[in-house]
Amino acid sequence: GENVEQHPSTLSVQEGDSAVIKCTYSDSASNYFPWYKQELGKRPQLIIDIRSNVGEKKDQRIAVTLNKTAKHFSLHITETQPEDSAVYFCAASFSGGYNKLIFGAGTRLAVHP
Amino acid sequence: DSGVTQTPKHLITATGQRVTLRCSPRSGDLSVYWYQQSLDQGLQFLIQYYNGEERAKGNILERFSAQQFPDLHSELNLSSLELGDSALYFCASSARGTGGSETQYFGPGTRLLVL
Repeated sequence: GENVEQHPSTLSVQEGDSAVIKCTYSDSASNYFPWYKQELGKRPQLIIDIRSNVGEKKDQRIAVTLNKTAKHFSLHITETQPEDSAVYFCAASFSGGYNKLIFGAGTRLAVHP
Repeated sequence: DSGVTQTPKHLITATGQRVTLRCSPRSGDLSVYWYQQSLDQGLQFLIQYYNGEERAKGNILERFSAQQFPDLHSELNLSSLELGDSALYFCASSARGTGGSETQYFGPGTRLLVL
């Protein structure tokens, strides 16, 4: 069935360290993989996305990699800062659902000064 | 600000009642999506509308219904409310909602508390 697994559920790092969050998806026809950042009580905000014709995408301190064969994609945050602390959600689109997104369960990232 | 608006911001009601949540998409967007976020469930897709027509359904309860109007705003109706319906309800919009690779922009959400 339609499923996105996300690990870890919580991640604690020191300021300046890197953080990596990993997701796997079930539908091999998925072609769009966004990452959202959500602060407490706020809306999910898109931070980066990748489409299936690309293996990696970077935007300043944030990068996403996609391995279509293994059905894995990952978020990499370098030089973390306290303001990076939030819950991060990965998602994958599903072929039968137009633009329907299935979300992972989320990763709570804490960056300690 | 994503350009997606939702009202009301907060809603407190009692079990058995019915409420309506409203969403206005970004200017020019034709697709609207509804998601439910409970404490222990993450973001769950409920339903998608495109230009007034239902396009995709998720795990939406029969007590819930939605529609999209000619001006493209959407309403999510929740009836016979139960304690477990307490959650954040988000609306998102995208340009067309087809092809499976469009960015979705989220509104600020409506926090529903059922007592």
